[in-house]
Amino acid sequence: EVQLVESGGDLVQPGGSLRLSCAASGFTFTTYWMAWVRQVPGKGLEWVASIKPDGSDKYYADSVKGRFTFSRDNAKNSLYLQISNLRVDDTAVYYCVRPAVYDSGSIDCWGQGTLVTVSS
Amino acid sequence: DIVMTQSPDSLAVSLGDRATINCKSSQSVFYSSNNKNCLAWYQQKPGQPPKILIYWASTRESGVPDRFSGSGSGTDFTLTISSLQAEDVAVYYCQQYYTTGWTFGQGTKVEIK
Repeated sequence: EVQLVESGGDLVQPGGSLRLSCAASGFTFTTYWMAWVRQVPGKGLEWVASIKPDGSDKYYADSVKGRFTFSRDNAKNSLYLQISNLRVDDTAVYYCVRPAVYDSGSIDCWGQGTLVTVSS
Repeated sequence: DIVMTQSPDSLAVSLGDRATINCKSSQSVFYSSNNKNCLAWYQQKPGQPPKILIYWASTRESGVPDRFSGSGSGTDFTLTISSLQAEDVAVYYCQQYYTTGWTFGQGTKVEIK
């Protein structure tokens, strides 16, 4: 069974840092692009970042560029999102997602999400 | 960024009736190298992550009921639920993946009339 399990969400103060993790299983992790999508509770979806299968290239939304760092460990089938200088508007559920192999864009697998709350 | 605009924001449909959701992109998402539109549709129920319904604008994901269909090309797309069932109550999102920075529509809430 294909599975993505996020962890690391927490309540943090503005300006703080956090590291989100995503454990992947049930598929050949090394052949897939991977990404993070976030959703403010009750609101819409926002793409955050994407990473190539070998981790050589990463792409970020302008809203997070310079503050978020996306990495992967293919030996551990894991993804990491290092978030720094957190802002109140970063409050959201963060989903680890797998783009489909046939188009690398539509998302055929979503994790259950981990909630990041930024508040003083 | 490509802006995705859905209409309506919400709609109420009687059980068994047709539901139609529109999605317009600010620029074409047609990928000429494979003659396909980089457009997907998702369904999200409360407390759950989204679930893919349609990709390449009109290809139904495996396991998705055939009452769901997608159409359109270029900048204008439609998701149709041919006969609304109670379990279809959800928020529906379109997404473009023509660019590396994917963007989503704001969502359309579908309810039972």
